[in-house]
Amino acid sequence: AQSVTQLDSHVSVSEGTPVLLRCNYSSSYSPSLFWYVQHPNKGLQLLLKYTSAATLVKGINGFEAEFKKSETSFHLTKPSAHMSDAAEYFCVVSDGPLNAGKSTFGDGTTLTVKP
Amino acid sequence: ETGVTQTPRHLVMGMTNKKSLKCEQHLGHNAMYWYKQSAKKPLELMFVYNFKEQTENNSVPSRFSPECPNSSHLFLHLHTLQPEDSALYLCASSQDTGRGYTFGSGTRLTVV
Repeated sequence: AQSVTQLDSHVSVSEGTPVLLRCNYSSSYSPSLFWYVQHPNKGLQLLLKYTSAATLVKGINGFEAEFKKSETSFHLTKPSAHMSDAAEYFCVVSDGPLNAGKSTFGDGTTLTVKP
Repeated sequence: ETGVTQTPRHLVMGMTNKKSLKCEQHLGHNAMYWYKQSAKKPLELMFVYNFKEQTENNSVPSRFSPECPNSSHLFLHLHTLQPEDSALYLCASSQDTGRGYTFGSGTRLTVV
């Protein structure tokens, strides 16, 4: 079975300060992990993905995430927040063959960026 | 554009109407999905199609009827919907689970 928990439903930062969005996962298999971003009234856009290669993954818009197997975490970070980063962020886990193409989405974290 | 196109972008329908949502992808993916996103609720997987065959029906009411005529097109036929069915309906496609989904921009459905 697979599951994912986003530890914060809302995160608020000031522009120019670091961003940390936390995600813990559970998986019976070697998981693939993803972060997606959703701006208001838009679809979800893939930010980055981990698929058993390098544990530090770099994505678009300056985001990165580190896969930590010992902590079952895949936290999303960015050194300096921009106003355009304000959006909903989803952490996703996929067990691969055990789930026949399904992925499990977290409940989402709303990021607010203050000027 | 992400490579997954959903039409229409917005739809208002009465409870007795019949309408269809369309999703199209030209990414060469072999799996397509319908998700429902309601306000203040987690994303809900509705249907999964793999190589045109339905592999998942997540206890979705029969007033939602999917159709996948080929691996590039996916439809969601709607009839006698309820106001609580108002939501953003998202289509996604993937080549395999290791590569992630590509989502469309969604159809904002309002049932009146």
